[in-house]
Amino acid sequence: QQQVRQSPQSLTVWEGETAILNCSYEDSTFNYFPWYQQFPGEGPALLISISSVSDKKEDGRFTIFFNKREKKLSLHITDSQPGDSATYFCAADNYAQGLTFGLGTRVSVFP
Amino acid sequence: DAGVTQTPRHEVAEKGQTIILKCEPVSGHNDLFWYRQTKIQGLELLSYFRSKSLMEDGGAFKDRFKAEMLNSSFSTLKIQPTEPKDSAVYLCASSLDRLYEQYFGPGTRLTVL
Repeated sequence: QQQVRQSPQSLTVWEGETAILNCSYEDSTFNYFPWYQQFPGEGPALLISISSVSDKKEDGRFTIFFNKREKKLSLHITDSQPGDSATYFCAADNYAQGLTFGLGTRVSVFP
Repeated sequence: DAGVTQTPRHEVAEKGQTIILKCEPVSGHNDLFWYRQTKIQGLELLSYFRSKSLMEDGGAFKDRFKAEMLNSSFSTLKIQPTEPKDSAVYLCASSLDRLYEQYFGPGTRLTVL
């Protein structure tokens, strides 16, 4: 059973639109949530992260919204660019074990 | 600065063979992780080393998978014997410390026939 769930599996947006990626988790001990971006043929790379004491984290066009009570978070990519086309992984950590990853959302941005 | 290096990038093995995948972490990093990536299961932790000591050995992967950290700058993942279900991308990652970002290598794509 996946402890970290992501939706949708895939998402297509036009250039300039906002892409919204969803993530939810089960384990209430998770307190750190990094999002990783992965391009084909490469390993994942950290994009942005948030700790459970915050409800929002912004870095340029990427924003994480976090709802601790509902155990949900989302990644918003505003003004999407073709170069943002990649697979995005939500992960969770409680520092007691390795990162727990979701299955990813594949984002395609068309010009 | 050199990132995480993994070799080979691609490996094809016959069922029953022994294969060894290699990883060089970022210089100075103390933590090293091995993950397996498939479309169905996503990224699964195989092993976790802290300062060369094995902290986690991935439970279900113990029987045919063995990761070793021979020194602070080199790790291997041995799969013996290989099975077709082992076909996946194997990723190595390192971090300065558990509280810091994990840097991933490009992965080794393993195909077992």
